[in-house]
Formats: sequence, C-alpha cells, structure tokens
Amino acid sequence: QVQLVQSGAEVKRPGASVKVSCKASGYTFINYAISWVRQAPGQGPEWMGWISAYNGNTHYAQNLQGRVTMTTDTSTTTAYMELRSLRSDDTAIYYCARQSIRCPTCWFDPWGQGTLVTVSS
Amino acid sequence: QSALTQPASVSGSPGQSITISCTGTSSDVGSYNLVSWYQQHPGKAPKLMIHEVSQRPSGTSDRFSGSKSGNTAYLTISGLQAEDEAVYYCCSDTGSNTDVVFGGGTSLTVL
Repeated sequence: QVQLVQSGAEVKRPGASVKVSCKASGYTFINYAISWVRQAPGQGPEWMGWISAYNGNTHYAQNLQGRVTMTTDTSTTTAYMELRSLRSDDTAIYYCARQSIRCPTCWFDPWGQGTLVTVSS
Repeated sequence: QSALTQPASVSGSPGQSITISCTGTSSDVGSYNLVSWYQQHPGKAPKLMIHEVSQRPSGTSDRFSGSKSGNTAYLTISGLQAEDEAVYYCCSDTGSNTDVVFGGGTSLTVL
C-alpha cells in the first residue's frame, strides 16, 4: 500500500537547523510530488511548499522563502525538508504528503505519520 | 494569505446529518473547484476525505459529500457514527495553482 514514513522527533536550539526525512513506498516515486505541511500545537495545518519527485522543481510558501529547502533522493525514494534559523514558533509537527504533479493543489494523500520538531533553549 | 474560516465546533447525534462550512474569498475558494477536506483524529495524521469540491477518493464512505456555493465550501456527513468524531479541515488553492491555504478546523462531536 502507498505509505510515507518519516524520521523521528527532534529537539533543536533556536538558530539551529533541522532536516526531516520522508521515505515513500508502494507507488512510483517519480510520478508524484511531495508537499510538506506543519501543524503547531492546537492549530490548523500550514502548507510549507512542495517538490516534484520527477524533476526536483520546488515551490515554497512565501513566508518560508530563504529558510526552507526541499530535496528528493530518487534512488532511495526519500524526500527531505530542511528548515534553518529555527525559532520557537517553528515548534510543530511536520508532515509530508503525496500530491499530484499535474494538479499540485488538488489533494494530499496519504500523509506521513508526522515528525515533532521542538525548538527550545 | 489568511486561513479559511470554519466554525470551531459542530455536533450531532448518531444517525443525523451535519454540515461544516468553509468560507474563503473569490481569490481562493471561489476561484477554482480545488477544495479538499481532511479528517484528523487525535494524535493522527490528517486523512483525505474529499477532493476537488465533491470527489470522494476510494475508501471514503459515501456518507461524506462535498459542495460549493460562491466563496463557501461545505462538507456534509450523513448517518453520523461515533467514529466520525474528529477535527475536519478544509483546504483550497489560493488562486495560484501552486499554493494552498487551510482552514482553522472544525471539531465534530457525536453526541
């Protein structure tokens, strides 16, 4: 079955960077894109951006431009999200989700299990 | 881009129907038929329930349906069951065909 499995929880100091992985299985990786979505405690989801697994093209949310980098490794069918210059308000659960390349805003399915990133001094 | 507006909570008894609204603007919800709905149980990842306003993915019960009128989208759940108790989020293209915005979520309580 289609599955996205993410790396484990992270605790970081303010100013540090974090890199979260998302291992895909059960489908042809390069035929889809991957979005990253974060959810702060008690809040709704916030879309961060997406990357095409076909050609590596990326599109980031404007408020994260310059701090986020999304990459893929097609040999291991894994997507990565790196967030730099971490602040306390970056504390959230970070999810990866599969999406269509043809229609990137149509749907997100499935989602990874989530990775808790805590930023604290 | 502001979050889409959803009621904080709705409730219903088993067997009843409820409708959750999701209000945006003519730039997002009103611009294209690119609204999706997600169900999230506590401690779990969101799950796609409806996409492109009214399309059900395989595996989604036909008790779930979606619609849209102007700048507001709706999720209707008929024949409420205890397992439907969850938080529901709407999501819309922002009019860019590349970016999306989510709603603040609606907590559904099955009485």
